[in-house]
Amino acid sequence: AQKVTQAQTEISVVEKEDVTLDCVYETRDTTYYLFWYKQPPSGELVFLIRRNSFDEQNEISGRYSWNFQKSTSSFNFTITASQVVDSAVYFCALSSPEISNFGNEKLTFGTGTRLTIIP
Amino acid sequence: DAGVIQSPRHEVTEMGQEVTLRCKPISGHNSLFWYRQTMMRGLELLIYFNNNVPIDDSGMPEDRFSAKMPNASFSTLKIQPSEPRDSAVYFCASSLGVAGLAGDEENIQYFGAGTRLSVL
Repeated sequence: AQKVTQAQTEISVVEKEDVTLDCVYETRDTTYYLFWYKQPPSGELVFLIRRNSFDEQNEISGRYSWNFQKSTSSFNFTITASQVVDSAVYFCALSSPEISNFGNEKLTFGTGTRLTIIP
Repeated sequence: DAGVIQSPRHEVTEMGQEVTLRCKPISGHNSLFWYRQTMMRGLELLIYFNNNVPIDDSGMPEDRFSAKMPNASFSTLKIQPSEPRDSAVYFCASSLGVAGLAGDEENIQYFGAGTRLSVL
């Protein structure tokens, strides 16, 4: 069975501080995908990033960076110089294309981390 | 592209009434998903379709829930009769699903804005 754990339920930081959101996953599959989604106060779910299990290269996109480590089954998300607009609930998710012929439809979500940036 | 479009955005109904939620996926996507989000259970996959065919409905809570996808550009999720415990935010998502290792735009689920359902 697949599982995603986001141990941090809520985090609050002062604006301009850096913050890291943790994500630990469990899967028996050798091929899988990891995702991060953002859910701002308006409620929609916004796709941020996808990584596949064969690509452990860290990724940076502006103030956002992701650290994927298979050795620890973690896919952590860091926001540098946080801004008030970063306030949202962030979800980590996992899927595996091995269990179906149709693609990675079995997205398993973590419980989310509510991030509050204090002005 | 306009993204995944859901309607209505908010629905308030009384217990026992029929509720129909609607979804228009992103043009060209071949997979469509219905999720439910509650405080207690988080995000749950209810059902998904591939090429308009239901593939897995194991997440549908009970017979009061049904979903259809009559064509590639429209899907409905119906609850009949509705109950207060059905109150939640219902999301629709679509993706270009491919088997095996995906390319840059494949196997990424894009979500609609959701329908907030309140059953009184």
